[in-house]
Amino acid sequence: KNEVEQSPQNLTAQEGEFITINCSYSVGISALHWLQQHPGGGIVSLFMLSSGKKKHGRLIATINIQEKHSSLHITASHPRDSAVYICAVRSNNNYQLIWGAGTKLIIKP
Amino acid sequence: DVKVTQSSRYLVKRTGEKVFLECVQDMDHENMFWYRQDPGLGLRLIYFSYDVKMKEKGDIPEGYSVSREKKERFSLILESASTNQTSMYLCATQVSGSTQYFGPGTRLLVL
Repeated sequence: KNEVEQSPQNLTAQEGEFITINCSYSVGISALHWLQQHPGGGIVSLFMLSSGKKKHGRLIATINIQEKHSSLHITASHPRDSAVYICAVRSNNNYQLIWGAGTKLIIKP
Repeated sequence: DVKVTQSSRYLVKRTGEKVFLECVQDMDHENMFWYRQDPGLGLRLIYFSYDVKMKEKGDIPEGYSVSREKKERFSLILESASTNQTSMYLCATQVSGSTQYFGPGTRLLVL
């Protein structure tokens, strides 16, 4: 069983829909990251969380430490949000990140 | 803004060649990482370094080595490239306790 599980693996939605991507993990962590990767390879760090909730524009990330679960939400989705979204957790040794396999999101106009 | 650059965006090499991938950062970050990314497997850590001349093996170090002679530069070396090392290679840097910043990636094709 992978230490970081993301769901769904693939998601296709219509423009304007509210999007939720989930991440569950099984190890002790000091932080959780959400990252975005567009076609062509460039990776952008969206959030780093250790508790609670963070918001940036139309993106919201939440984490529940007790349940070992995080969600990434996108409000009013747009085709330019189409990308792979990756969840990664920093294990308690503080140097290594454990990666999820990513969620491929396609937003259709 | 943090800037992480990688020496090549695309690289084609032949089996058995020695390959150097370079990563340079301009923000004096202690930690630097090399990952490879393959479809369906996500990102996998090859090596990381937490200081000059210090290196640690990641999850898949076999077939690779690294060099960190200067703080700003972290090199990934494929001593004898093989076809199963065809992949996207991503470098990242980090200040301890903070988020990681990624370079644009190098797509390596080994023929």
